[in-house]
Amino acid sequence: NAGVTQTPKFRILKIGQSMTLQCTQDMNHNYMYWYRQDPGMGLKLIYYSVGAGITDKGEVPNGYNVSRSTTEDFPLRLELAAPSQTSVYFCASSYSDKQVNYGYTFGSGTRLTVV
Amino acid sequence: EDQVTQSPEALRLQEGESSSLNCSYTVSGLRGLFWYRQDPGKGPEFLFTLYSAGEEKEKERLKATLTKKESFLHITAPKPEDSATYLCAVQARGNTGKLIFGQGTTLQVKP
Repeated sequence: NAGVTQTPKFRILKIGQSMTLQCTQDMNHNYMYWYRQDPGMGLKLIYYSVGAGITDKGEVPNGYNVSRSTTEDFPLRLELAAPSQTSVYFCASSYSDKQVNYGYTFGSGTRLTVV
Repeated sequence: EDQVTQSPEALRLQEGESSSLNCSYTVSGLRGLFWYRQDPGKGPEFLFTLYSAGEEKEKERLKATLTKKESFLHITAPKPEDSATYLCAVQARGNTGKLIFGQGTTLQVKP
């Protein structure tokens, strides 16, 4: 059981380049999330999805886009990379019914540097 | 505005020296409070979920408690392998599953 898989683990981008961070989960979780983690700032929500075909903005969505065509996959697209997007990115998934969220399972992260 | 504050930012303990980490929160209707452990270079790992004031959960040397305003993570007789960053997060009412995270407490346990 792989859980949540993120690729790549590390990436260096030049300013203005674009890339897609991949995230896939094999737990049949309905909810998926993208967070970024900066030193001393905690985890900030970028985008989330409550099911295939449904996405919504989180706290810090500017400069990013997402799609969710299947339950398993939730890629994060960076367009026109900027130094402010240097961060560690975590994908997470969870199962949630109307009453309870059963806690996130996180991927191992993608460390992105924009130079 | 929903907010989570953790204290202290960093904590150094000797092996066997018990202590507590604090998580204070303000949220519009608490649906759940979550504790995670994060090791360097890795994703957070789920520890506990607490749903209502008065609830307690335990796992090995860790015990989490919850009141209407804060949660504590008690560490009893810690070992060096307990060294990590501990994250607290809250979920407000609604069906989005979104969590609001605190900044974390970095714990170092020296042998």
